[in-house]
Amino acid sequence: DSGVTQTPKHLITATGQRVTLRCSPRSGDLSVYWYQQSLDQGLQFLIQYYNGEERAKGNILERFSAQQFPDLHSELNLSSLELGDSALYFCASSGGTGTGANYGYTFGSGTRLTVV
Amino acid sequence: GQNIDQPTEMTATEGAIVQINCTYQTSGFNGLFWYQQHAGEAPTFLSYNVLDGLEEKGRFSSFLSRSKGYSYLLLKELQMKDSASYLCAPTGGGNKLTFGTGTQLKVEL
Repeated sequence: DSGVTQTPKHLITATGQRVTLRCSPRSGDLSVYWYQQSLDQGLQFLIQYYNGEERAKGNILERFSAQQFPDLHSELNLSSLELGDSALYFCASSGGTGTGANYGYTFGSGTRLTVV
Repeated sequence: GQNIDQPTEMTATEGAIVQINCTYQTSGFNGLFWYQQHAGEAPTFLSYNVLDGLEEKGRFSSFLSRSKGYSYLLLKELQMKDSASYLCAPTGGGNKLTFGTGTQLKVEL
């Protein structure tokens, strides 16, 4: 157990629907990052939150949004789903401050989203 | 921006040594991480280099040359379970990691 909790582990939904993925960071970590990984592809950075505020944005579609709550858990909302959105979605957390390996990322086990 | 270059695939024999190279160009560089990812699983931390030189940790070692924008991961005494994708991740501004597409290592008997 990495300490980063993602739910659900698996999700199957139809095109056009909306889903919410949830992430609880490792205790004490202030930063949360969301990544998308399609089959046989690399990790694509979506968005980062630090202590409740958006810190950095990657190639996140307008149909996707995220937020980080006061208790530091984060949710990734995916709407108007398309077949191409089928992927593994990883959440990672880090200390966000300090130096060295302290701000290395710890990943959750991911949510496998299948859009049919 | 960030640019990371790793070989796409490598094959090695059980018990052998393999070196996975990574070259990068990034702004705001602080250090470089290596992660291991088995298919369908989360990436897991292997090593972190901030200073030039070799960091050894058991069967795995990682090297960094900041001036050359170059790193490598060295895996010794390869085991079948080492078959995985190895991700090079230099740090950028705001402590953000950018991951390369990874090197898929296949260990054969």
